[in-house]
Amino acid sequence: QSALTQPPSVSGAPGQRVTISCTGSSSNTGAGYDVHWYQQLPGAVPKLLIYGNNNRPSGVPDRFSGSKSGTSASLAITGLQAEDEADYYCQSYDTSLSGVAFGGGTKLTVL
Amino acid sequence: QVQLQESGPGLVKASQTLSLTCTVSGGSISSGDYYWGWIRQPAGKGLEWIGRFYTSGSAKYSPSLKSRVTISVDTSKNQFSLKLSSVTAADTAVYYCRAYSSRWYPDYWGQGTLVTVSS
Repeated sequence: QSALTQPPSVSGAPGQRVTISCTGSSSNTGAGYDVHWYQQLPGAVPKLLIYGNNNRPSGVPDRFSGSKSGTSASLAITGLQAEDEADYYCQSYDTSLSGVAFGGGTKLTVL
Repeated sequence: QVQLQESGPGLVKASQTLSLTCTVSGGSISSGDYYWGWIRQPAGKGLEWIGRFYTSGSAKYSPSLKSRVTISVDTSKNQFSLKLSSVTAADTAVYYCRAYSSRWYPDYWGQGTLVTVSS
């Protein structure tokens, strides 16, 4: 059981907006630790998509955005494209682990 | 730009020790610029944190693996290693080595290496 909870799947049509939630607890997100998001395309290495709750690494389109409030965080993708079909993971630091916690992952399907 | 490359046996017998090495280029393990660690991912499943170390201080490990895992470093070769003892089929996964800054960006991953535990 993951310390961070994500929905197993979300879907949307091309051009639409989807959000993926990530819910933690007082030992991770609720303790003020940042949330980071990763995109894993089929057969590929996870790629950092959002760091520090709402920052995009160089090269990540501004269609991707992140937010965090309290124990929850969200990843929003606007103008959905077929190439966005992938697994998405949130990550934070967890004091009970004294290390990194990942969400279970969310599979995004573009209809 | 830091580059990481995992190496090691792709097949390990159950009850034996899994040993992998991550070779770092484009940056120095002893520079203090990054945290260095290991992540694994069983086929069709999510990411699992194994552990990490920094240039100063001791390594930190996942509580679920702590009794079986050791991460060590060879600064002369700019490599770090993972040892996981008493493996079972549940340890079959793609293993990634990783480097990340204190702000989590940049965050570098190796290409991953599949390790299969056979009975």
